[in-house]
Amino acid sequence: RKEVEQDPGPFNVPEGATVAFNCTYSNSASQSFFWYRQDCRKEPKLLMSVYSSGNEDGRFTAQLNRASQYISLLIRDSKLSDSATYLCVVNDIDSWGKLQFGAGTQVVVTP
Amino acid sequence: DVKVTQSSRYLVKRTGEKVFLECVQDMDHENMFWYRQDPGLGLRLIYFSYDVKMKEKGDIPEGYSVSREKKERFSLILESASTNQTSMYLCASSLYASSTDTQYFGPGTRLTVL
Repeated sequence: RKEVEQDPGPFNVPEGATVAFNCTYSNSASQSFFWYRQDCRKEPKLLMSVYSSGNEDGRFTAQLNRASQYISLLIRDSKLSDSATYLCVVNDIDSWGKLQFGAGTQVVVTP
Repeated sequence: DVKVTQSSRYLVKRTGEKVFLECVQDMDHENMFWYRQDPGLGLRLIYFSYDVKMKEKGDIPEGYSVSREKKERFSLILESASTNQTSMYLCASSLYASSTDTQYFGPGTRLTVL
């Protein structure tokens, strides 16, 4: 079983719509959570950290559900430039900075 | 801005060749990482280093070795390349080994082993 699992998609989203997707993690000891964004043929880049209380960054909202061991990302008012693969990333407290990556959820925003 | 560079964007090698992938970061980061990325599997950690001359195995170290002689440079070595090592290789660095620290990635090297 993978430590971090994501729906690969693609999620096809009309421009201006809202899209949301989840990621589940298997290690209940996980302490830090992130969403990274990876554009086609590019390197991953940090999109946002995910805090216990949930957090928002512009049109992006991230939530953490520790009881059910999943995190979510919601994108409002989708733009064409939001088309990318979104990587769910989890870090264990004793893992010396090691990150566990999900395989990614592809989002395609269409005009 | 943090900059992580990798020596090649594309590389084609033959089975059995020794392959060197170089990574350099310019922000005095303590930690450096080598990952490979394959479709459907995501990024998997090969090796990481938290200090000069220090290295730790990641999740899939078999068939690879690393070298970190200088703080800014972290090399990945394939002693005898095999076709199952065809992949995208990504180098990353982070300032500290904190669980909340951001990792910055290089542009990747797409390696094909024939």
